[in-house]
Amino acid sequence: DIVMTQSPDSLAVSLGERASINCKSSQSVLYNSNNKNYLAWYQQKPGQPPRLLIYWASTRESGVPDRFIGSGSGTDFTLTISSLQAEDVAVYYCRQYYNNPWTFGQGTKVEIK
Amino acid sequence: EVQLVESGGGLVQPGGSLRLSCVASGFTFSDYNMNWVRQAPGKGPEWLSYINSSSNTIYYADSVRGRFTISRDNAKNSLYLQMNSLRVEDTAVYYCARNRTLDVWGQGTTVTVSS
Repeated sequence: DIVMTQSPDSLAVSLGERASINCKSSQSVLYNSNNKNYLAWYQQKPGQPPRLLIYWASTRESGVPDRFIGSGSGTDFTLTISSLQAEDVAVYYCRQYYNNPWTFGQGTKVEIK
Repeated sequence: EVQLVESGGGLVQPGGSLRLSCVASGFTFSDYNMNWVRQAPGKGPEWLSYINSSSNTIYYADSVRGRFTISRDNAKNSLYLQMNSLRVEDTAVYYCARNRTLDVWGQGTTVTVSS
């Protein structure tokens, strides 16, 4: 199984500042034939299901604010919130959908400093 | 509005069975691959099972293979998860989700396995 490891487990950022979350996969999730990284990011607020933010490592889902930016390739990925807003307080998960079983990272809790 | 609504959760004893349902609306259900994902209390999500649009490709996580069965009825816009031999560690909120990217999620149904 591909193990997804996120860092840090939690972070506190001031409103308007940048927040960065890292995700590392135990093997590459880049499919060479189409040059796509099979990596997604989700946001989950208390009492709600996860919400898809980013897929193919850097493609923003429709309706997701452009302050959410996905980057990286191969085994190392980053979700950046360029200017943290109060409504961004949540737990964020990365997930690989390259190989079954599709696996999630352990989550990163983002709070306001 | 694109929507998924799960039902069928509840309290069951270890070793028991439950059948979860997920009804889709707002999109052409038969065009989409579907999944079940669960989330235990205080834990991250765990992908469980995938079924393609025509039901001829099915995958399971090791944790549920042989105990859970995914199926769908495109005429009824419905996805199902038959859960047998339930264990205490199967206690979780169960979600259905669309596509390999899990782009649409239901609100979930709670399964509690306890004696």
